[in-house]
Amino acid sequence: NFMLTQPHSVSESPGKTVTISCTRSSGSIASNYVQWYQQRPGSSPTTVIYEDNQRPSGVPDRFSGSIDSSSNSASLTISGLKAEDEADYYCQSYDTNNRVFGGGTKLTVL
Amino acid sequence: EVHLVESGGGLVKPGGSLRLSCAASGFTFSTYSMDWVRQAPGKGLEWVSSISRTSLYIYQADSLEGRFTVSRDNAKNSLYLQMNSLRVEDTAIYYCARWSSSSGSFHYWGQGTLVTVSS
Repeated sequence: NFMLTQPHSVSESPGKTVTISCTRSSGSIASNYVQWYQQRPGSSPTTVIYEDNQRPSGVPDRFSGSIDSSSNSASLTISGLKAEDEADYYCQSYDTNNRVFGGGTKLTVL
Repeated sequence: EVHLVESGGGLVKPGGSLRLSCAASGFTFSTYSMDWVRQAPGKGLEWVSSISRTSLYIYQADSLEGRFTVSRDNAKNSLYLQMNSLRVEDTAIYYCARWSSSSGSFHYWGQGTLVTVSS
């Protein structure tokens, strides 16, 4: 089984851009899609990116996803930060028998 | 509209058992794999178990050591999680989630049900 490693926390000012990384421990990051979920306190997770870089309807285009095979990692980038973006963000991938979540990153909008 | 509603959570003593249910509506339940995901207080998301459309394939996190059993009843549009030999560390909100096999993602989640294991 592989693991996904995220920074514990990131912070940035409103209007700025922040990037959250998600590094896969073994196997290629490109071998299975990566998803990103946003979770606000007291709420269930919601999808902000699926299939590496696809946005569900209703998610603003300030959210974007990518993968980088050279670093074996995925990234979630949020531009034009707003106070409402403050939340926990989780990356997720899978293999044949498992679903794997990253440990989560707390985004603080200063 | 897709709805997933969990129930069955509560307070149980260490070593006890509990059965969670998830009622699904708004989609053809029998055509989707379903999963349970949990979140301990103040902690991250942890995948628990998955069950395929016809119950042919069932997978579980190794950390559970076989104490939990997932099942489903497609006629009742329901998903279940039988939890035995419960431990304090099983205390968490348990979410049911619909799995998308094509994208490897969870697009729909329930609101969760809280399981507290304490003496």
